[in-house]
Amino acid sequence: TQLLEQSPQFLSIQEGENLTVYCNSSSVFSSLQWYRQEPGEGPVLLVTVVTGGEVKKLKRLTFQFGDARKDSSLHITAAQPGDTGLYLCAMANTDKLIFGTGTRLQVFP
Amino acid sequence: NAGVTQTPKFRVLKTGQSMTLLCAQDMNHEYMYWYRQDPGMGLRLIHYSVGEGTTAKGEVPDGYNVSRLKKQNFLLGLESAAPSQTSVYFCATWWVEAFFGQGTRLTVV
Repeated sequence: TQLLEQSPQFLSIQEGENLTVYCNSSSVFSSLQWYRQEPGEGPVLLVTVVTGGEVKKLKRLTFQFGDARKDSSLHITAAQPGDTGLYLCAMANTDKLIFGTGTRLQVFP
Repeated sequence: NAGVTQTPKFRVLKTGQSMTLLCAQDMNHEYMYWYRQDPGMGLRLIHYSVGEGTTAKGEVPDGYNVSRLKKQNFLLGLESAAPSQTSVYFCATWWVEAFFGQGTRLTVV
């Protein structure tokens, strides 16, 4: 059973558009991480959010942690082809590190 | 400083054959994980270890076994490979964030 559901599953947009990716769970997160994976590589950490309602910015990427700590979103402003990749949310569940179902983003020039 | 190294990088097996995937880390992390990633999907946890001599089942453990005889190595075994085990396998260590190997692309024919 996948504890973390991401939406949308696929996203194909033009350069310059904005987009939002969501990560939801029926469980409360102690913390949540977002990773990006490029083809042929392992995922790489983008950010960790810990506090309910927390907002973190990483250049054009804005990460938000839901007030109840059961959901998170990733917003990309003015997407660029270099943003193309698989975006994964992840949470530590006791000793397990569980990843979401993933959102595959394609940004066309 | 290699980080997390997986061997082999590619392998083709016939149904019923066995093999072992090796994950080696030089970061002195206690927690290690094995995931599988199928096309267009996120990462599913197979087995994990919280320290030398310990292993535990993840979300999809059937058909796989693991061993952690030394802290730096985490082995994933397939005793009798099946076509359903065709996938890309990733090893990761975790301390504050996850660090991944480059992956092993396994095809079972």
